[in-house]
Amino acid sequence: AQKVTQAQTEISVVEKEDVTLDCVYETRDTTYYLFWYKQPPSGELVFLIRRNSFDEQNEISGRYSWNFQKSTSSFNFTITASQVVDSAVYFCALSEVLNTGGFKTIFGAGTRLFVKA
Amino acid sequence: DGGITQSPKYLFRKEGQNVTLSCEQNLNHDAMYWYRQDPGQGLRLIYYSQIVNDFQKGDIAEGYSVSREKKESFPLTVTSAQKNPTAFYLCASSTSGWIHNEQFFGPGTRLTVL
Repeated sequence: AQKVTQAQTEISVVEKEDVTLDCVYETRDTTYYLFWYKQPPSGELVFLIRRNSFDEQNEISGRYSWNFQKSTSSFNFTITASQVVDSAVYFCALSEVLNTGGFKTIFGAGTRLFVKA
Repeated sequence: DGGITQSPKYLFRKEGQNVTLSCEQNLNHDAMYWYRQDPGQGLRLIYYSQIVNDFQKGDIAEGYSVSREKKESFPLTVTSAQKNPTAFYLCASSTSGWIHNEQFFGPGTRLTVL
């Protein structure tokens, strides 16, 4: 079965520390997409990145970077020089092919990140 | 500004009552979704709609119903058959349900059953 595991329930760091959020997935599909979303205290999820299964290049966007490794079925997310505004719940997600055609998204349980000043 | 609106933000319901959560989008997206989020858990899919006048059950559809009469609107009714409805409900949309696109989320409705 398709599955996304975020083993870290909560992480607490001090501002300016680097932090890595782990994500491990399981899928039978050969073509799939992985996502990261951020949920700040306001509750609304915000899309951060999408990566397809054929593109294993690491991605960097400002202080954010993502490391996708098919060999270990992992899609980890690193925040460099963390800031208090990074405090949120972060979800890793995997797209799954539906029997009706189309796709749905399977979410991990989320990792709550606390960044202390 | 384009986006997704959900109302109300907080909703209280007595046991045995049905309640409808509103979700409207002006992004011209074909696909819309309803998720339930419980503390410490990820999002679980309740219902989804890939196109107007069509919708499908997700993983936890029991006790819920939806309609998709207009492209912009995807209301969710929590019925009295839902045994544990207290949760945070999120509506989302994407350009198409047939493409691995990212989803855009509304601000959510927190439902509490008294």
